[in-house]
Amino acid sequence: DGGITQSPKYLFRKEGQNVTLSCEQNLNHDAMYWYRQDPGQGLRLIYYSQIVNDFQKGDIAEGYSVSREKKESFPLTVTSAQKNPTAFYLCASRPNGQGSSPLHFGNGTRLTVT
Amino acid sequence: AQSVTQLGSHVSVSEGALVLLRCNYSSSVPPYLFWYVQYPNQGLQLLLKYTTGATLVKGINGFEAEFKKSETSFHLTKPSAHMSDAAEYFCAVSPSDQNFVFGPGTRLSVLP
Repeated sequence: DGGITQSPKYLFRKEGQNVTLSCEQNLNHDAMYWYRQDPGQGLRLIYYSQIVNDFQKGDIAEGYSVSREKKESFPLTVTSAQKNPTAFYLCASRPNGQGSSPLHFGNGTRLTVT
Repeated sequence: AQSVTQLGSHVSVSEGALVLLRCNYSSSVPPYLFWYVQYPNQGLQLLLKYTTGATLVKGINGFEAEFKKSETSFHLTKPSAHMSDAAEYFCAVSPSDQNFVFGPGTRLSVLP
């Protein structure tokens, strides 16, 4: 079955360490997204990519970086510059970056930094 | 910029009662509209969407939503709540030239 795989499910890191969250999709979607979810704040867009080798900052990109070397993969690195990295991170994709197509989500990675 | 409001961060209903979750958006041009459901520690799952055509949209798990342009609303309803409906629900809009905008979410509790 097609879908989005995020790994790991839970991730624990010490403050000051960079950490990379994996997101892989086999839906053949062009557009991929990273969201951060905090209690009571809904979803906030970190980065998105509409095509391989291209990506744009979302609303809260500071302290994060991404790459899009393959259509299927869109890893997110949480750097030590991110002041409050503990959160639930969701990866999503859609066939293209606009229009009526819905977002498809992975099951998320819960990152805890102490 | 587009915004989405969901009235009530937490809604409680009794099992078997009507579920009504409210969503309003800000736009003079109707965007595409979506409802998603999220169970604890999981991703979001699409319940239903409105793009064009019939304004009453039916989704999965017995949910439906009605697009009302004059009220800029897209409220989600289900005639009879089930314990398994307890989850967080997100309304979202997708303007034709912008990324998705999500509401803050409404947590639904179903009481026995």
